[in-house]
Amino acid sequence: QKEVEQNSGPLSVPEGAIASLNCTYSDRGSQSFFWYRQYSGKSPELIMSIYSNGDKEDGRFTAQLNKASQYVSLLIRDSQPSDSATYLCAVNRNNDMRFGAGTRLTVKP
Amino acid sequence: SAVISQKPSRDICQRGTSLTIQCQVDSQVTMMFWYRQQPGQSLTLIATANQGSEATYESGFVIDKFPISRPNLTFSTLTVSNMSPEDSSIYLCSVAKTSGGDTDTQYFGPGTRLTVL
Repeated sequence: QKEVEQNSGPLSVPEGAIASLNCTYSDRGSQSFFWYRQYSGKSPELIMSIYSNGDKEDGRFTAQLNKASQYVSLLIRDSQPSDSATYLCAVNRNNDMRFGAGTRLTVKP
Repeated sequence: SAVISQKPSRDICQRGTSLTIQCQVDSQVTMMFWYRQQPGQSLTLIATANQGSEATYESGFVIDKFPISRPNLTFSTLTVSNMSPEDSSIYLCSVAKTSGGDTDTQYFGPGTRLTVL
């Protein structure tokens, strides 16, 4: 079992729709959770971090965490073509960060 | 977030040679890390660069192949030694903040794209 699992996609949504990206993790002791966006040929860029159960909103992005289910998700509202990228889920325990393989998102105009 | 630069941004190297990649941060940071991202893959941690002491390597990575230096809190180098085509990858430096909360959040440099012929 992989430590951090994501559906590789591609996930395709129309412009203006909500994109939902999901991630599960195996280490119950994980302390912090992150979503990074990576455009092709570029390095990962931090979108959001979340530390406690529930929702955290930042603009069009909402991160959701459920530690009991070992599940973290990212919702992108009003998706734009510029959101087309690979989204990496990362899970951290004591500065040991583990990354998922990423989900490729395509937003079609 | 800190401003992170890496040099070189890309290089094409011959088999058997070595390449040193530099990572410079514009502020002091506690943690610096080196990752590898092979084509179409996610990030794999190579090692944690420790200031003033030997780096901490992940399973599958050894100091002889990937020697790392970190002489101060703003600079680190990663050397890829005796390269083979399998070393072709993007090498990424990341840092974690020193203070102010969210000290486990990592920020990435722009990466070094290495091609070994």
